[in-house]
This record gives sequence, structure tokens and C-alpha cells, in this order.
Amino acid sequence: QVQLQESGPGLVKPSQTLSLTCTVSGGSISSGGYYWSWIRQPAGKGLEWIGRIYTRGNTNYNPSLKSRVSISVDMSKNQFSLKLSSVTAADTAVYYCARAGGDYDSSGYYYRYFDLWGRGTLVTVSS
Amino acid sequence: SYELTQPPSVSVSPGQTASITCSGDKLGDKYASWYQKKPGQSPVLVLYKDTKRPSGIPERFSGSNSGNTATLTISGTQAMDEADYYCQAWDNSLGVFGGGTKLTVL
Repeated sequence: QVQLQESGPGLVKPSQTLSLTCTVSGGSISSGGYYWSWIRQPAGKGLEWIGRIYTRGNTNYNPSLKSRVSISVDMSKNQFSLKLSSVTAADTAVYYCARAGGDYDSSGYYYRYFDLWGRGTLVTVSS
Repeated sequence: SYELTQPPSVSVSPGQTASITCSGDKLGDKYASWYQKKPGQSPVLVLYKDTKRPSGIPERFSGSNSGNTATLTISGTQAMDEADYYCQAWDNSLGVFGGGTKLTVL
């Protein structure tokens, strides 16, 4: 059974770079044609999609974070990672990694949805 | 950028039907997914491709999507269904979540 696990520092200082890793266990990150995403939720607020990566290296980022975000994949370690630079208190949130699976519809369009989530990790930005 | 709008809260009595809407420009031309989020837990997929239920999701969860509105319907709502619900869609390869709806069962 495939599982996702986030890891990384729980405390980051303002203006520094937040770095998190998601380890995929129970299956290969490179199989199945999945997209791998980062999603966050500040306390008391809603879910925010940060970005995604395909194992071929294609990435897409939330326009509101694009200038500060980088997502990469390390297939040898079965991991993908998030870097968010120049963080402020507004970046304090629970960060989730998630897998986006999908399928083709009858017209050949490939639809996706988040079918697997990590447990989430709280990152606090504070001096 | 694309936006999805949900009502902040919906209340329902146990055993009744709850409907949660999600509005976005021509949302019916996209596929909507719905996620249940309880405090301290990871989100759980409850519907995908507008109407499809993953294995393990009760039949009381159903959905529709047409025009500018997708709807999550919970029939025979139970106390365990009390949670935040988020709709989600893709717009030009970018993921978008609605702001979430707190479902209260009282």
C-alpha cells in the first residue's frame, strides 16, 4: 500500500527558505503516471494548492507563489521536495504532500484528483 | 486566476439531506472533486469526476456539476459527516480549491 510521509524542519526563520521532503513508500514514484503535489493549510483557513511535479520534471506552480516556489523529484530516493523562499509568518501552515491520479474520460480527456495524501507537517515561521 | 466559491457554512439535521455548492466560471466544463477534512486529519477524497465515489465512501455521498455550479449532496446525513468540505478543479494545469464549507450536523 502506497504511503506518503512529509519531513522537514518544523520551525523556519523569517526570510529563510522552507524545505520539505515527501517520501513515497510502498510503490515507485515513477510508475503510474502520477503528478505529485504540495498543498498547505494555514490554521483556520482553507486548503491552498502550491504546485505539482511529474516524474519527467514538468512542474506547475500556484501563480501567487510561483516566484518563491520550487518543486523537485529524486527518483533514486523515491522522494519529491518543496522549497519556498523568503518565508514570512503568512507561510505558517500544515503542509501536505499528495498524489494526483486520474484516468481518461470517454472523450479522451485525462482528469485528475488527489487520491492519496500524507499526514501533513506543521511548519511555523518565527524568529 | 480561476476561483471556486463555496458557502462558508451549511447546517443540517441528522438524517436529512445536506447540499454544498461550489461555483466557478464554466465549472461544468471541468471536472470537480470533493474532499472531506476533519480537524487534525488529512483530507479524504469523497467524490471525483463530479459524481464518482472512491471505494469505501458511502453511497449517501453524491454529486453533480453543470453550468457554473458543482454540488456535493449528502443524503441521510450522519454525525460523522460533520467536517469541512472542499471542492477542487484544475484550470490550465493549475490546481484550485474552493474556500471550504463547514458542515454542521445538529
